[in-house]
Amino acid sequence: AQSVSQHNHHVILSEAASLELGCNYSYGGTVNLFWYVQYPGQHLQLLLKYFSGDPLVKGIKGFEAEFIKSKFSFNLRKPSVQWSDTAEYFCAVNRKGGGFKTIFGAGTRLFVKA
Amino acid sequence: DVKVTQSSRYLVKRTGEKVFLECVQDMDHENMFWYRQDPGLGLRLIYFSYDVKMKEKGDIPEGYSVSREKKERFSLILESASTNQTSMYLCASSPGTNIYEQYFGPGTRLTVT
Repeated sequence: AQSVSQHNHHVILSEAASLELGCNYSYGGTVNLFWYVQYPGQHLQLLLKYFSGDPLVKGIKGFEAEFIKSKFSFNLRKPSVQWSDTAEYFCAVNRKGGGFKTIFGAGTRLFVKA
Repeated sequence: DVKVTQSSRYLVKRTGEKVFLECVQDMDHENMFWYRQDPGLGLRLIYFSYDVKMKEKGDIPEGYSVSREKKERFSLILESASTNQTSMYLCASSPGTNIYEQYFGPGTRLTVT
């Protein structure tokens, strides 16, 4: 069965530290990949997406993610985090042309110390 | 700007009650989804609908049913609420016949006592 693994459930960083959140998926076919973010008390919202093309994807607020097909990975990065990045981050995958289901990872809670 | 609204932010119900959670989207999206979000488990798909009156089971449909009589509205029904259905319920919508990014509502935190 298709699954998405996020490597860390909780991450604590100081402001200006670099961030990398790991995401691996199990499906071997062609996929669409997403990172969603949920700030405290807010809706889940899309941070960035990958459908095809350049495997390095840039999203909002300085985030980027790199799709490495050989590693089935789509890690999220930010060179310098801010206190306002404190949130929960979800990686998600769906199969191209394979239906409507999107599989979400368990989420990573990021806390940035001011 | 896509807007997905859910009828309640917080809901408290008793065991055995029938519970209706309503979701409305205003962007004429074909696809609508119901998820539950639990700590450490992420989002798990309960049901989705790709057209009016069409529905498909997700990963955890047991104890739930859905209704989509109009394109903009997707209802989640707990026929007989149980304490293990205490959770955050998220509705989402997306356009097109292939999945694009999903737009989420604010969520309904349901507590069943």
